[in-house]
Amino acid sequence: DAGITQSPRHKVTETGTPVTLRCHQTENHRYMYWYRQDPGHGLRLIHYSYGVKDTDKGEVSDGYSVSRSKTEDFLLTLESATSSQTSVYFCAISEKPGQGSYEQYFGPGTRLTVT
Amino acid sequence: DQQVKQNSPSLSVQEGRISILNCDYTNSMFDYFLWYKKYPAEGPTFLISISSIKDKNEDGRFTVFLNKSAKHLSLHIVPSQPGDSAVYFCAASVRNFNKFYFGSGTKLNVKP
Repeated sequence: DAGITQSPRHKVTETGTPVTLRCHQTENHRYMYWYRQDPGHGLRLIHYSYGVKDTDKGEVSDGYSVSRSKTEDFLLTLESATSSQTSVYFCAISEKPGQGSYEQYFGPGTRLTVT
Repeated sequence: DQQVKQNSPSLSVQEGRISILNCDYTNSMFDYFLWYKKYPAEGPTFLISISSIKDKNEDGRFTVFLNKSAKHLSLHIVPSQPGDSAVYFCAASVRNFNKFYFGSGTKLNVKP
């Protein structure tokens, strides 16, 4: 299994509070992604990173920001959490440099509840 | 506007029979397709992929078929086993961009 961890694994927070989710990898993969999974929608891309300090928006980026200051860490921040951001969040990585692998490997997920 | 669609939310199959999961896409620029399996409370795991230069890729019990003219791919599982019971997601990408678009998933139940 690819070395991907997410923290926290579960979080309950109140509307309006800031929340940061962390993704950590030990695989030296170039690309890192944040997805949210909701019933009927599958996995939707929030933001992704193609290198340190290089990030771009996905399909559902409103209300979220990201940062990647090191290859191994990718942070997702909800500046002011809303109930619509209650979801399960998955981090993923892909493309080991030099091997051209394009499959994504996913972390275990973070269940976030905004009350 | 979903670019990748899985129109069957669920599928039930008897153990030992074939499971066929379907996926449609709208973006003709997609050139790489993948299937993932997801168990409850776990992250999705990669199952099998296919490049647009092929129309079939096989890995053990799993075969993916790609019909580019119909913008359709399918995953065949033969024979189906109870351990295959999971949610299956198809995904597509334009490989150079390394962004992936996922379908909404099909929940497969393989009955013993």
